[in-house]
Amino acid sequence: AQSVTQPDIHITVSEGASLELRCNYSYGATPYLFWYVQSPGQGLQLLLKYFSGDTLVQGIKGFEAEFKRSQSSFNLRKPSVHWSDAAEYFCALSDGGYNKLIFGAGTRLAVHP
Amino acid sequence: DVKVTQSSRYLVKRTGEKVFLECVQDMDHENMFWYRQDPGLGLRLIYFSYDVKMKEKGDIPEGYSVSREKKERFSLILESASTNQTSMYLCASSPTRTLVYEQYFGPGTRLTVT
Repeated sequence: AQSVTQPDIHITVSEGASLELRCNYSYGATPYLFWYVQSPGQGLQLLLKYFSGDTLVQGIKGFEAEFKRSQSSFNLRKPSVHWSDAAEYFCALSDGGYNKLIFGAGTRLAVHP
Repeated sequence: DVKVTQSSRYLVKRTGEKVFLECVQDMDHENMFWYRQDPGLGLRLIYFSYDVKMKEKGDIPEGYSVSREKKERFSLILESASTNQTSMYLCASSPTRTLVYEQYFGPGTRLTVT
């Protein structure tokens, strides 16, 4: 069965520190992968997506993610976190049918000054 | 910019009431989706629609129905609201059923059933 796992429910980092949010997926073929961010009281905004090609994907707000087929992972990274990055982050997988998405449970990021 | 709007940000209803949540997108997208979001569970798909008057069940359709009479509008209906339907409801749309595209989300409706 297709699934997405985000092992970390909460992460706290200091402002200026680097960040890595983990995402593992289970899927029989090459997946289409997404990272979304949800700021408090808001809907979800797309950060980046991987469809094919270069396994290092650049997104908005200085985020990047690396697709590793051998590890079934699509981890999100940022070299230096800003206080405004505090939000909930969701990894998602599309099976390609009708653009349905399967979401992970989310990781809530807190940023200390 | 794609805009997905939801009729209410906050809604409080009583048990047994019929509840309508409305979603409108302005980009002529074919696909529309309704999710509920609960802490620790992420987003779970309730229903989706890939065309006017077409609908498909998602992962948790029980207790819900949907209506899509016009391409831009997708309604979620709780026939008889129950307390376990207290949740955040998110609507989304995407351009096409034939190519993989990201989904665009509305701001959400936080529904409380008392």
